[in-house]
Amino acid sequence: GAGVSQTPSNKVTEKGKYVELRCDPISGHTALYWYRQSLGQGPEFLIYFQGTGAADDSGLPNDRFFAVRPEGSVSTLKIQRTERGDSAVYLCASSPGGSSYNEQFFGPGTRLTVL
Amino acid sequence: AQSVSQHNHHVILSEAASLELGCNYSYGGTVNLFWYVQYPGQHLQLLLKYFSGDPLVKGIKGFEAEFIKSKFSFNLRKPSVQWSDTAEYFCAVNENSGNTPLVFGKGTRLSVIA
Repeated sequence: GAGVSQTPSNKVTEKGKYVELRCDPISGHTALYWYRQSLGQGPEFLIYFQGTGAADDSGLPNDRFFAVRPEGSVSTLKIQRTERGDSAVYLCASSPGGSSYNEQFFGPGTRLTVL
Repeated sequence: AQSVSQHNHHVILSEAASLELGCNYSYGGTVNLFWYVQYPGQHLQLLLKYFSGDPLVKGIKGFEAEFIKSKFSFNLRKPSVQWSDTAEYFCAVNENSGNTPLVFGKGTRLSVIA
C-alpha cells in the first residue's frame, strides 16, 4: 500500500517568507508526527497528533511554527517569518495508534532551504 | 529527558567484515527501542525494534540487536556486511506509554568498501 507522502519534496524560500509543508499519512493511521533533521544530526521531534488534536507540541522551537490536522488525516506544518536557521529536512511519520507497541513509518521528507 | 548516544560518527568497513554499532540511551522507565536505516537518497526505514521479551531481536537484511537493560544499551550487529549496507544508521527510543515521539541519536554513517 501507499506509504507516507510529503509535498513538496524541496522548498526554497527567502528569509521572512511563510511556508507550508504537507504530510499525507498512511491511511487509517491515527498518530502523526513531525520531526526536523538538520545536517549531521538525527531527527528531532517537533509535534505529535493523535487524531485531530496536538497531543504534544513541546518540540516546536518557537511560535513561528504551527501545525494542524483538521480532519485527522492530512497535516500541514506552517512556518512564519522563516529564518536561515530553519533550513533542514522536515520529516513526517505516522503510526496506527491505539497501542504502546507501534513503529513509526516515515515519509521522504521536505528539504527546506531558506536563503 | 531521554537522550540517545551513538558512539561512532563514521565507520568504514571492508565487505564481509563484522559490524557492531553502539547505542546507549538514558531514561529511567520502560522503553521501546528501534534501529532505523537511511540508504542514500531514500527515506528512513525500520531495521528492527524491541518492545519486550527476548532481548536479542532480529531484523531485516541479517541485522540483529541486543537490549542489555543493565547497560542501557541496544547495539546493532551484523556478522558480514555487504557494499549495499552503506547507509546512515539511527538508534531511537520512546517511552513504552502510548504513542510517544521518538528520540534519535545523531546517527552513524557506515561506508562499506569492496
